Amino acid sequence: SQQGEEDPQALSIQEGENATMNCSYKTSINNLQWYRQNSGRGLVHLILIRSNEREKHSGRLRVTLDTSKKSSSLLITASRAADTASYFCATVRTDSWGKLQFGAGTQVVVTP
Amino acid sequence: GAGVSQSPRYKVAKRGQDVALRCDPISGHVSLFWYQQALGQGPEFLTYFQNEAQLDKSGLPSDRFFAERPEGSVSTLKIQRTQQEDSAVYLCASSLPGQYTGELFFGEGSRLTVL
Repeated sequence: SQQGEEDPQALSIQEGENATMNCSYKTSINNLQWYRQNSGRGLVHLILIRSNEREKHSGRLRVTLDTSKKSSSLLITASRAADTASYFCATVRTDSWGKLQFGAGTQVVVTP
Repeated sequence: GAGVSQSPRYKVAKRGQDVALRCDPISGHVSLFWYQQALGQGPEFLTYFQNEAQLDKSGLPSDRFFAERPEGSVSTLKIQRTQQEDSAVYLCASSLPGQYTGELFFGEGSRLTVL
């Protein structure tokens, strides 16, 4: 079973636009992470936000976390064609500290 | 290389055959994870090691799946009597130790196709 659910399932935008995707989860967490996966490749870690943090930035990425709503969002600003990939949120539950559980992902296509 | 290495990258097996998938984690990473990823889906947790100890194997789908890491470095995921539903990409990841799992470093995966 998957802990997180991403929304939307797919997103198509043009270069220069911002891309926003959301993640909802079900149980208390220690941290939430976002990963990117290019087609046929492994996952690449983007950013980690802890349960006591509300917002985090890394380059063109901005992540928010609302533990009261059990949700997170990932914003990619000024998107590029190279941002085309699937994006997954993943959570570490407080009652299952070793296991990182992934959602089903958002497929993002950025057209030039 | 400096990353997580998996082999083989591609494996085709006939139904009923046994397969073994290998993972070489990043040197110094004591935590190692196996995930199964079906087409179009997110990775599903299979099992987790800290050094040679298998701390969580709750995600292994059946007793046909077995993972080991005897010396705390290289790990092997073995699938016995493969079935068509085992077709998936098997991802290995490693991380630095910590009370809670932090950033995972993934390999490129082993794509298993069972005919």
